[in-house]
Amino acid sequence: GENVEQHPSTLSVQEGDSAVIKCTYSDSASNYFPWYKQELGKRPQLIIDIRSNVGEKKDQRIAVTLNKTAKHFSLHITETQPEDSAVYFCAATSVGGSQGNLIFGKGTKLSVKP
Amino acid sequence: EPEVTQTPSHQVTQMGQEVILRCVPISNHLYFYWYRQILGQKVEFLVSFYNNEISEKSEIFDDQFSVERPDGSNFTLKIRSTKLEDSAMYFCASMRDSGNTIYFGEGSWLTVV
Repeated sequence: GENVEQHPSTLSVQEGDSAVIKCTYSDSASNYFPWYKQELGKRPQLIIDIRSNVGEKKDQRIAVTLNKTAKHFSLHITETQPEDSAVYFCAATSVGGSQGNLIFGKGTKLSVKP
Repeated sequence: EPEVTQTPSHQVTQMGQEVILRCVPISNHLYFYWYRQILGQKVEFLVSFYNNEISEKSEIFDDQFSVERPDGSNFTLKIRSTKLEDSAMYFCASMRDSGNTIYFGEGSWLTVV
């Protein structure tokens, strides 16, 4: 089955700096890769996702890149703000196959220092 | 904006007791899921449900667990005889149809004592 590895487990940046979180996956059939932000005690909130027919997607300060050959994808947050502090999870699944069976990474705790 | 709603938000139960966690998925959604998250750990897939039957389940989802859609709106997770290690946040999620975004509920925090 699918296995998703996520690095780093913790990340501390200064406000205004960029943050990059990386994930690798094992199942070449996976074709949908969402990123979730989770604040303490809250539900995971989708912040951006990418499908395998696209190499990069951007939404304001957030971007995701996908390298299908290498089976890795990354989240990039630019101009970080204190409110970006949270745990970020990557996930992978196969749309049309194991539909919605999201396999999550272990999470990255991002701290943005003012 | 429509939301997935879950009840209860928090439940404390004694080991060995049965627990039912309830979810109301978004009304026009067809795919339903349960995930769990042990404190401080990653979110783990439990089960997916489509067309009134389980479409996939993980190794975690053993015989102690069951799901049901008793009517047109509710989706429930039952744990038959709770164990201490079942203590976790349980998230319900739903998706409109294939290829769409999965939406999570706020979660039900289960504490087994």
